[in-house]
Amino acid sequence: GAVVSQHPSWVICKSGTSVKIECRSLDFQATTMFWYRQFPKQSLMLMATSNEGSKATYEQGVEKDKFLINHASLTLSTLTVTSAHPEDSSFYICSARDVGRTEAFFGQGTRLTVV
Amino acid sequence: DAKTTQPPSMDCAEGRAANLPCNHSTISGNEYVYWYRQIHSQGPQYIIHGLKNNETNEMASLIITEDRKSSTLILPHATLRDTAVYYCIVSYIYNFNKFYFGSGTKLNVKP
Repeated sequence: GAVVSQHPSWVICKSGTSVKIECRSLDFQATTMFWYRQFPKQSLMLMATSNEGSKATYEQGVEKDKFLINHASLTLSTLTVTSAHPEDSSFYICSARDVGRTEAFFGQGTRLTVV
Repeated sequence: DAKTTQPPSMDCAEGRAANLPCNHSTISGNEYVYWYRQIHSQGPQYIIHGLKNNETNEMASLIITEDRKSSTLILPHATLRDTAVYYCIVSYIYNFNKFYFGSGTKLNVKP
């Protein structure tokens, strides 16, 4: 199947700093990618839709100025958590789908810990 | 997107078939049924999907009822490595797999 890769797999940052997470489609082009967040013992929650060459679309309740999304190429979307605080500590996961297929593939996830 | 209902947990003996049910009574004609699973601290793994016909691949079989209001994922010979949370998701065919996850079913495969 298609491969979606995230980097880094885990990151620890100090409160007040910003952290960038990358999501790459390795063997296909993705005009649309999705970002999810997952807290311990909970399900995945959709945060936003990342659109290549245009602004991201955020789900209700997700702060767009807090979670900056950039989809500058057909294989890369980035999520930047700005001014991170301990409550932003979570597992962040991206997904993407090749236009020629009907199933999406997920990255391995990024564990963010804000101290 | 249509909501899905799954039992919170199920047990299965190793080597036996695991049958995971999912209700999606409000599904529309343009919505696929997708199954993913998530092993602890990893991203979800694609298993199988279907629109109205039953589907089978190397991992599992998907049985969709004729009225499409429910489906069953079948793992024919469960192993300990199949222990995971299984998510049944219904999603509109044209939205690039924008998923709203439910709570899923935690499948415990026991020796």
